[in-house]
Amino acid sequence: GNSVTQMEGPVTLSEEAFLTINCTYTATGYPSLFWYVQYPGEGLQLLLKATKADDKGSNKGFEATYRKETTSFHLEKGSVQVSDSAVYFCALSTAGTGNQFYFGTGTSLTVIP
Amino acid sequence: DGGITQSPKYLFRKEGQNVTLSCEQNLNHDAMYWYRQDPGQGLRLIYYSQIVNDFQKGDIAEGYSVSREKKESFPLTVTSAQKNPTAFYLCASSIYGYSGNEQFFGPGTRLTVL
Repeated sequence: GNSVTQMEGPVTLSEEAFLTINCTYTATGYPSLFWYVQYPGEGLQLLLKATKADDKGSNKGFEATYRKETTSFHLEKGSVQVSDSAVYFCALSTAGTGNQFYFGTGTSLTVIP
Repeated sequence: DGGITQSPKYLFRKEGQNVTLSCEQNLNHDAMYWYRQDPGQGLRLIYYSQIVNDFQKGDIAEGYSVSREKKESFPLTVTSAQKNPTAFYLCASSIYGYSGNEQFFGPGTRLTVL
């Protein structure tokens, strides 16, 4: 079946620290992989995505590389800001079955000044 | 601007009452989805629809019902059979047919049953 396992939080970092949030997946077929961000009381926003092995998604200083050999899609940012405080969700989608998404449980990040 | 609207943002209902949550999109997307989010948990799929007049149950459909009479609209009814309806409900839409198509999310409706 399809599933996503995400690093449990919460994660607390000082401003300008390096961020890694681990994400591994199990999928039938060839999934596309996504990172979404959710700010308090809001819906999810797409942060970045990768649709095939070795692709790197990037946006707003965040990066993640689709590693088929390790079935991973870890999120990284070199220098976090207070405004990055949010919950981050890793997700996968496979063709068919209504383009269903499978989400991880989310990782809460707090960045302190 | 294209997007997804959900209304209302906050909803309070008495136990035993049915309540309908609205979801409208003007992105011309074929597929629409309803998720439930509980504190500290991920998103759980309630129902999804790939096309007008057709919808499928997700992982936690019991106690919920939907309709898809128009491409733009996918309302969710939380019935009195739902044992623990207090949660944050998210609607999403996407272009159907390719796994790389992202889902776009609405702002959510927080339902509290008193």
